Amino acid sequence: NAGVTQTPKFRVLKTGQSMTLLCAQDMNHEYMYWYRQDPGMGLRLIHYSVGEGTTAKGEVPDGYNVSRLKKQNFLLGLESAAPSQTSVYFCASTWTANYGYTFGSGTRLTVV
Amino acid sequence: DAKTTQPNSMESNEEEPVHLPCNHSTISGTDYIHWYRQLPSQGPEYVIHGLTSNVNNRMASLAIAEDRKSSTLILHRATLRDAAVYYCILRDGNTGFQKLVFGTGTRLLVSP
Repeated sequence: NAGVTQTPKFRVLKTGQSMTLLCAQDMNHEYMYWYRQDPGMGLRLIHYSVGEGTTAKGEVPDGYNVSRLKKQNFLLGLESAAPSQTSVYFCASTWTANYGYTFGSGTRLTVV
Repeated sequence: DAKTTQPNSMESNEEEPVHLPCNHSTISGTDYIHWYRQLPSQGPEYVIHGLTSNVNNRMASLAIAEDRKSSTLILHRATLRDAAVYYCILRDGNTGFQKLVFGTGTRLLVSP
């Protein structure tokens, strides 16, 4: 099915470990986004990309890095995980303002 | 980003219509009104969006006030599957890049 695929779906990390979350979309969307959602809260934007080879910071970028080497993939990296990064991470993609976003099903990350 | 105001929660009975309000008194002329919903343990799902005119799709209807300072998402016959958090979001259509800024939304409870 066309859409946004996130891997992995679940992960437990120890403090200080690193990992990469992968987001892949097959809709040829230009814009891609990474959000995090903490319990009982709305989504907060971490980083985003307006096209292949571009990335930019959102409202909560500290502790994260991203890359968009291919149009269809947007990677979110945690270089040294901290317990404060325990959250559910969502990836999304879209074309322009006149289109809705398509979200992935999320990655539940726990840092112990 | 222009802000939206939604009630924290609403209740409905199954098969009854539901009207979810949203106030956006600082909306600009180029802001699209987007609605998303998030079912438990899932990523947000696009519902509907509009600019000035009322909009209908297979999921819902969007009624936009003439002055555009408020809007209402209408679910014509609520089902148990419609129990979710509904987010009303403004998205500027005049910029080359757009991001969704999520508030806390309205939690819709549907009773059998």
